[in-house]
Amino acid sequence: DTAVSQTPKYLVTQMGNDKSIKCEQNLGHDTMYWYKQDSKKFLKIMFSYNNKELIINETVPNRFSPKSPDKAHLNLHINSLELGDSAVYFCASSQNTGAGNTIYFGEGSWLTVV
Amino acid sequence: DAKTTQPNSMESNEEEPVHLPCNHSTISGTDYIHWYRQLPSQGPEYVIHGLTSNVNNRMASLAIAEDRKSSTLILHRATLRDAAVYYCILFVAYNNNDMRFGAGTRLTVKP
Repeated sequence: DTAVSQTPKYLVTQMGNDKSIKCEQNLGHDTMYWYKQDSKKFLKIMFSYNNKELIINETVPNRFSPKSPDKAHLNLHINSLELGDSAVYFCASSQNTGAGNTIYFGEGSWLTVV
Repeated sequence: DAKTTQPNSMESNEEEPVHLPCNHSTISGTDYIHWYRQLPSQGPEYVIHGLTSNVNNRMASLAIAEDRKSSTLILHRATLRDAAVYYCILFVAYNNNDMRFGAGTRLTVKP
Protein backbone atom coordinates (compact mmCIF):
# COMPACT_ATOMS: atom_id res chain seq x y z
CA ASP A 1 0.00 0.00 0.00
CA THR A 2 2.63 2.50 -1.17
CA ALA A 3 1.86 6.14 -0.39
CA VAL A 4 3.72 7.60 -3.38
CA SER A 5 4.19 5.21 -6.26
CA GLN A 6 6.02 5.80 -9.50
CA THR A 7 6.34 3.73 -12.62
CA PRO A 8 8.46 2.49 -14.18
CA LYS A 9 11.14 1.86 -11.56
CA TYR A 10 13.78 1.24 -14.23
CA LEU A 11 13.85 2.60 -17.75
CA VAL A 12 16.57 2.18 -20.36
CA THR A 13 15.99 4.00 -23.62
CA GLN A 14 17.83 5.42 -26.60
CA MET A 15 18.72 9.02 -27.23
CA GLY A 16 16.01 10.90 -29.04
CA ASN A 17 13.14 8.87 -27.67
CA ASP A 18 10.17 10.29 -25.75
CA LYS A 19 9.29 8.70 -22.43
CA SER A 20 6.96 9.26 -19.50
CA ILE A 21 7.20 8.51 -15.80
CA LYS A 22 3.94 8.25 -13.92
CA CYS A 23 3.36 9.17 -10.30
CA GLU A 24 0.39 8.63 -8.04
CA GLN A 25 -0.14 9.42 -4.36
CA ASN A 26 -2.93 7.96 -2.22
CA LEU A 27 -2.42 10.29 0.74
CA GLY A 28 -4.99 12.88 -0.25
CA HIS A 29 -2.28 15.53 -0.54
CA ASP A 30 -2.67 18.78 -2.44
CA THR A 31 0.98 19.31 -3.42
CA MET A 32 3.19 17.13 -5.59
CA TYR A 33 6.79 17.42 -6.77
CA TRP A 34 9.38 16.05 -9.13
CA TYR A 35 13.02 15.90 -8.04
CA LYS A 36 16.05 14.80 -10.04
CA GLN A 37 19.07 13.11 -8.49
CA ASP A 38 22.11 13.09 -10.76
CA SER A 39 25.22 10.93 -10.71
CA LYS A 40 26.77 13.16 -8.05
CA LYS A 41 23.77 12.37 -5.85
CA PHE A 42 22.52 15.95 -5.60
CA LEU A 43 18.73 16.16 -5.30
CA LYS A 44 17.28 19.08 -7.23
CA ILE A 45 13.67 20.15 -7.39
CA MET A 46 12.28 20.35 -10.91
CA PHE A 47 8.58 21.08 -10.56
CA SER A 48 5.95 21.52 -7.91
CA TYR A 49 2.17 21.46 -8.33
CA ASN A 50 -0.45 22.54 -5.83
CA ASN A 51 -4.05 21.55 -6.58
CA LYS A 52 -3.05 20.82 -10.17
CA GLU A 53 -1.51 24.27 -10.60
CA LEU A 54 2.18 24.68 -11.37
CA ILE A 55 3.88 26.64 -8.56
CA ILE A 56 7.56 25.83 -8.96
CA ASN A 57 9.24 25.46 -12.32
CA GLU A 58 12.99 25.35 -12.00
CA THR A 59 15.29 25.93 -14.92
CA VAL A 60 14.84 22.67 -16.72
CA PRO A 61 14.80 22.17 -20.48
CA ASN A 62 11.48 22.55 -22.25
CA ARG A 63 11.77 18.89 -23.18
CA PHE A 64 10.52 18.15 -19.66
CA SER A 65 6.79 18.66 -19.29
CA PRO A 66 4.84 17.77 -16.15
CA LYS A 67 1.16 16.94 -16.38
CA SER A 68 -1.24 16.83 -13.46
CA PRO A 69 -4.61 15.36 -14.54
CA ASP A 70 -5.84 15.47 -10.94
CA LYS A 71 -4.45 16.12 -7.46
CA ALA A 72 -3.39 12.50 -7.01
CA HIS A 73 -1.27 12.30 -10.14
CA LEU A 74 1.75 14.14 -11.47
CA ASN A 75 3.32 12.61 -14.54
CA LEU A 76 6.61 13.62 -16.12
CA HIS A 77 7.00 13.50 -19.87
CA ILE A 78 10.44 13.88 -21.44
CA ASN A 79 10.90 14.55 -25.15
CA SER A 80 14.01 13.92 -27.23
CA LEU A 81 15.94 12.25 -24.46
CA GLU A 82 19.63 13.09 -24.12
CA LEU A 83 22.49 11.26 -22.40
CA GLY A 84 22.53 13.92 -19.68
CA ASP A 85 18.98 13.08 -18.71
CA SER A 86 20.21 9.84 -17.15
CA ALA A 87 19.39 10.15 -13.48
CA VAL A 88 17.04 9.01 -10.77
CA TYR A 89 13.74 10.89 -10.76
CA PHE A 90 11.76 11.10 -7.52
CA CYS A 91 8.13 12.01 -7.23
CA ALA A 92 6.94 13.37 -3.89
CA SER A 93 3.89 14.86 -2.21
CA SER A 94 2.93 16.91 0.84
CA GLN A 95 -0.36 17.89 2.43
CA ASN A 96 -0.04 21.47 1.15
CA THR A 97 2.58 24.15 0.73
CA GLY A 98 3.06 24.89 4.43
CA ALA A 99 6.66 24.77 5.65
CA GLY A 100 5.83 22.46 8.53
CA ASN A 101 4.66 19.73 6.18
CA THR A 102 6.35 16.40 5.73
CA ILE A 103 7.26 15.50 2.17
CA TYR A 104 6.74 11.89 1.19
CA PHE A 105 8.95 10.54 -1.58
CA GLY A 106 8.45 7.70 -3.98
CA GLU A 107 11.01 4.96 -4.50
CA GLY A 108 12.48 6.63 -7.56
CA SER A 109 12.64 5.91 -11.28
CA TRP A 110 16.10 5.05 -12.63
CA LEU A 111 16.37 6.45 -16.16
CA THR A 112 19.31 5.46 -18.34
CA VAL A 113 19.68 7.00 -21.77
CA VAL A 114 22.03 5.17 -24.14
CA ASP B 1 22.15 27.41 -2.76
CA ALA B 2 21.20 24.85 -0.15
CA LYS B 3 21.70 27.36 2.71
CA THR B 4 22.93 24.64 5.07
CA THR B 5 26.39 23.25 5.79
CA GLN B 6 27.00 19.71 6.96
CA PRO B 7 30.10 17.51 7.27
CA ASN B 8 30.53 15.25 4.26
CA SER B 9 30.74 12.10 6.32
CA MET B 10 30.63 10.73 9.85
CA GLU B 11 31.19 7.38 11.45
CA SER B 12 29.55 5.81 14.44
CA ASN B 13 29.62 2.54 16.29
CA GLU B 14 26.50 0.47 16.54
CA GLU B 15 24.32 1.18 19.58
CA GLU B 16 26.12 4.43 20.35
CA PRO B 17 24.54 7.88 20.05
CA VAL B 18 25.22 9.94 16.96
CA HIS B 19 25.16 13.73 16.75
CA LEU B 20 24.87 15.08 13.22
CA PRO B 21 25.54 18.83 13.06
CA CYS B 22 24.13 21.39 10.63
CA ASN B 23 24.89 25.08 10.23
CA HIS B 24 22.28 27.41 8.79
CA SER B 25 23.51 30.88 9.61
CA THR B 26 21.23 32.62 7.08
CA ILE B 27 18.02 31.15 8.50
CA SER B 28 15.06 33.52 8.69
CA GLY B 29 12.33 33.61 11.30
CA THR B 30 9.80 31.58 9.31
CA ASP B 31 12.13 28.88 8.02
CA TYR B 32 11.57 25.39 9.37
CA ILE B 33 14.52 23.05 9.87
CA HIS B 34 13.87 19.65 8.34
CA TRP B 35 15.94 16.49 8.37
CA TYR B 36 15.56 13.74 5.82
CA ARG B 37 17.65 10.66 5.20
CA GLN B 38 18.23 8.55 2.14
CA LEU B 39 19.09 4.90 2.42
CA PRO B 40 20.89 3.28 -0.52
CA SER B 41 18.71 2.95 -3.60
CA GLN B 42 15.67 4.46 -1.89
CA GLY B 43 13.85 7.75 -1.88
CA PRO B 44 14.46 10.31 0.85
CA GLU B 45 12.64 9.62 4.11
CA TYR B 46 11.41 12.19 6.62
CA VAL B 47 13.17 12.09 9.97
CA ILE B 48 12.16 15.15 11.97
CA HIS B 49 11.56 18.88 11.75
CA GLY B 50 11.32 21.89 14.04
CA LEU B 51 11.05 25.65 14.15
CA THR B 52 12.43 26.94 17.47
CA SER B 53 12.06 24.33 20.19
CA ASN B 54 13.81 21.00 20.47
CA VAL B 55 11.79 18.12 19.09
CA ASN B 56 11.64 14.41 19.78
CA ASN B 57 10.03 11.59 17.88
CA ARG B 58 10.45 7.83 17.70
CA MET B 59 13.28 8.12 15.18
CA ALA B 60 15.42 10.92 16.56
CA SER B 61 15.74 14.16 18.46
CA LEU B 62 16.39 17.60 17.03
CA ALA B 63 18.29 20.13 19.08
CA ILE B 64 18.03 23.70 17.79
CA ALA B 65 20.43 26.37 18.94
CA GLU B 66 18.92 29.37 20.67
CA ASP B 67 19.88 31.69 17.80
CA ARG B 68 18.62 29.03 15.33
CA LYS B 69 21.81 29.28 13.30
CA SER B 70 22.66 25.65 13.88
CA SER B 71 20.97 22.40 14.79
CA THR B 72 21.91 18.85 15.66
CA LEU B 73 20.14 15.65 14.74
CA ILE B 74 20.56 13.07 17.48
CA LEU B 75 20.17 9.36 16.90
CA HIS B 76 20.11 7.92 20.39
CA ARG B 77 21.31 4.43 19.52
CA ALA B 78 22.64 3.96 16.02
CA THR B 79 21.84 0.72 14.25
CA LEU B 80 23.22 -0.66 11.01
CA ARG B 81 19.95 0.33 9.38
CA ASP B 82 20.65 3.97 10.17
CA ALA B 83 23.51 4.04 7.67
CA ALA B 84 22.35 6.62 5.15
CA VAL B 85 22.89 10.12 3.82
CA TYR B 86 21.30 12.64 6.20
CA TYR B 87 20.10 15.94 4.78
CA CYS B 88 19.52 19.07 6.81
CA ILE B 89 17.19 21.40 4.91
CA LEU B 90 15.65 24.80 5.46
CA PHE B 91 12.03 24.78 4.41
CA VAL B 92 11.24 28.23 3.07
CA ALA B 93 7.51 28.59 3.44
CA TYR B 94 6.94 31.71 1.39
CA ASN B 95 8.69 30.11 -1.56
CA ASN B 96 5.92 27.57 -2.14
CA ASN B 97 7.60 24.65 -0.44
CA ASP B 98 10.83 25.00 -2.31
CA MET B 99 12.87 22.52 -0.30
CA ARG B 100 16.45 22.44 -1.52
CA PHE B 101 18.76 19.59 -0.64
CA GLY B 102 22.48 20.00 -0.03
CA ALA B 103 25.12 17.31 -0.21
CA GLY B 104 24.18 15.85 3.17
CA THR B 105 26.25 13.80 5.63
CA ARG B 106 26.98 10.19 4.82
CA LEU B 107 26.70 8.25 8.07
CA THR B 108 28.55 4.97 8.35
CA VAL B 109 27.65 2.70 11.26
CA LYS B 110 30.23 0.14 12.28
CA PRO B 111 29.20 -3.09 14.00
